[in-house]
Amino acid sequence: DVKVTQSSRYLVKRTGEKVFLECVQDMDHENMFWYRQDPGLGLRLIYFSYDVKMKEKGDIPEGYSVSREKKERFSLILESASTNQTSMYLCASSLWDRGRTDTQYFGPGTRLTVL
Amino acid sequence: GQQLNQSPQSMFIQEGEDVSMNCTSSSIFNTWLWYKQDPGEGPVLLIALYKAGELTSNGRLTAQFGITRKDSFLNISASIPSDVGIYFCAGRRTSGTYKYIFGTGTRLKVLA
Repeated sequence: DVKVTQSSRYLVKRTGEKVFLECVQDMDHENMFWYRQDPGLGLRLIYFSYDVKMKEKGDIPEGYSVSREKKERFSLILESASTNQTSMYLCASSLWDRGRTDTQYFGPGTRLTVL
Repeated sequence: GQQLNQSPQSMFIQEGEDVSMNCTSSSIFNTWLWYKQDPGEGPVLLIALYKAGELTSNGRLTAQFGITRKDSFLNISASIPSDVGIYFCAGRRTSGTYKYIFGTGTRLKVLA
């Protein structure tokens, strides 16, 4: 079974703090993704990475950065947390298969509250 | 970002009833995924579909990849209380992108 783990289930931070959210997958997947999920807005893609040290902006990258130094680990960084970044953050990974059979697997999520 | 149109938005059903929900898109997709999400948890993959017309089952769940490639359907037979949660679809277009587009979710409540 694919396993995607996230470093924290719940996190409370103060405005202006630097926040690191870590995600690790154990299936040697090339692709990793960070989403945020908010009521009424569904899942919105923040960043994704298709290889080590490679990244692309998603739909809402402002206020976030990412790091992928190793294939299994993808970090989301909030340089200076703000209250509007309070949300559920979901990490996902998928295998890049040119035969189009890739599937996204999600971690359990990190609920971040910024005070 | 773009979202898929998913319906119904929510439904209350009696235990034992069958449930149907669907997702539609204006774009052609080459992959459809169906997920279930429990409160405070990450989405769990239920069924993956890769070919137009494909019909795939997972226990009491059956999903179909529409032949137009612009829609997908999920059916749950003989619902039970633990089916409660949010179900959502995700689709990937044929352009070779890595990105998935997600549905807005169907919130299911099962009355015992």
